[in-house]
Amino acid sequence: GQNIDQPTEMTATEGAIVQINCTYQTSGFNGLFWYQQHAGEAPTFLSYNVLDGLEEKGRFSSFLSRSKGYSYLLLKELQMKDSASYLCAVRDSNYQLIWGAGTKLIIKP
Amino acid sequence: ETGVTQTPRHLVMGMTNKKSLKCEQHLGHNAMYWYKQSAKKPLELMFVYNFKEQTENNSVPSRFSPECPNSSHLFLHLHTLQPEDSALYLCASSQDGLGGSSPLHFGNGTRLTVT
Repeated sequence: GQNIDQPTEMTATEGAIVQINCTYQTSGFNGLFWYQQHAGEAPTFLSYNVLDGLEEKGRFSSFLSRSKGYSYLLLKELQMKDSASYLCAVRDSNYQLIWGAGTKLIIKP
Repeated sequence: ETGVTQTPRHLVMGMTNKKSLKCEQHLGHNAMYWYKQSAKKPLELMFVYNFKEQTENNSVPSRFSPECPNSSHLFLHLHTLQPEDSALYLCASSQDGLGGSSPLHFGNGTRLTVT
């Protein structure tokens, strides 16, 4: 079967750096997405990786290794507003989006 | 108004009720989706409409009935639901359908409680 694994919950300190990992086993690969979802709100698009390497967008970066079935989302200079769930999703060979259960990130002062 | 709008934000209904969820997108997108989100579980795709035509129905029980009158509006009609249907129902849109690389734009969802 197809599967996306992410840690259920992580805690980090304001101003620090945190890395959220995502590993996947899917039938084919056509891109990986990261979304942020604050409690009670809509998931919002953060990044898209289809080739190996690092994509940087301000304080957020996303890395992909297709050979390892692995991605991470790196958040720098953490702010309290970064407390949210982070969802990893992979598009498989049939262009179906396979979702992880999300990682709840708690930021402490 | 911009983005994807869902109404109502909260809905409590009995198992014998009939209700509808509404979604409207103001982005000019061609594809619209219904997802179910339960606590600590991955998003579950329910229905996909591409250019108003239903292209996906992921074995969703018939007590959920979608309707897409045009490319900007999507409804989810609910009847004789079960308590396990209680969840957050998210509507989303994208520029292209499932085969494209464009991201999904989500609404804030309807929190449904079935009593």
